[in-house]
Amino acid sequence: GAVVSQHPSRVICKSGTSVKIECRSLDFQATTMFWYRQFPKQSLMLMATSNEGSKATYEQGVEKDKFLINHASLTLSTLTVTSAHPEDSSFYICSALRAGGGNTGELFFGEGSRLTVL
Amino acid sequence: LAKTTQPISMDSYEGQEVNITCSHNNIATNDYITWYQQFPSQGPRFIIQGYKTKVTNEVASLFIPADRKSSTLSLPRVSLSDTAVYYCLVGAGTASKLTFGTGTRLQVTL
Repeated sequence: GAVVSQHPSRVICKSGTSVKIECRSLDFQATTMFWYRQFPKQSLMLMATSNEGSKATYEQGVEKDKFLINHASLTLSTLTVTSAHPEDSSFYICSALRAGGGNTGELFFGEGSRLTVL
Repeated sequence: LAKTTQPISMDSYEGQEVNITCSHNNIATNDYITWYQQFPSQGPRFIIQGYKTKVTNEVASLFIPADRKSSTLSLPRVSLSDTAVYYCLVGAGTASKLTFGTGTRLQVTL
């Protein structure tokens, strides 16, 4: 199956610093990628939709200046957590949409990135 | 976006068949139904996708009744390694963003 890779898988940073997480689709082009965050024992919460060549669409309640998303190519989207604070500690997951025939599509998820802010 | 409802948790013994049902009463005509599996600290993994009737692959079957207001994921002869959270998602694939519901936490024991 298709592969989506996230990097880094784990990151620990100090409060106030910024952290960038990369999401790459390795064997297909993805015009649309999604970013989720997940707290322990909870479901994935959609943060934003990342569209190649245009601005990301953020879900209600997600600060776009806090979580910067860039989708500069058909295989790469990045999420930058700016001025991170301990409450930003979470598991961040990206997914890439591979278009199928007709109106179908399949989401492929990255392995996730665990951010810990001290 | 079609909302989904699943049981929060299920328990099963190894070797049994497990059926997880998902309700999606406001599914749209062009929506597909997709199931994902997630292990702790990993991204979700695609299991199966369908539109209507029955779909089967090497790991699971998906049953969708004619009204498409629900779907059932069937896992034959589960093993301990099937312990995970299973999510049912409804959407139009290329056209829509997919929203995760609560998922079903399946615990398989000996």
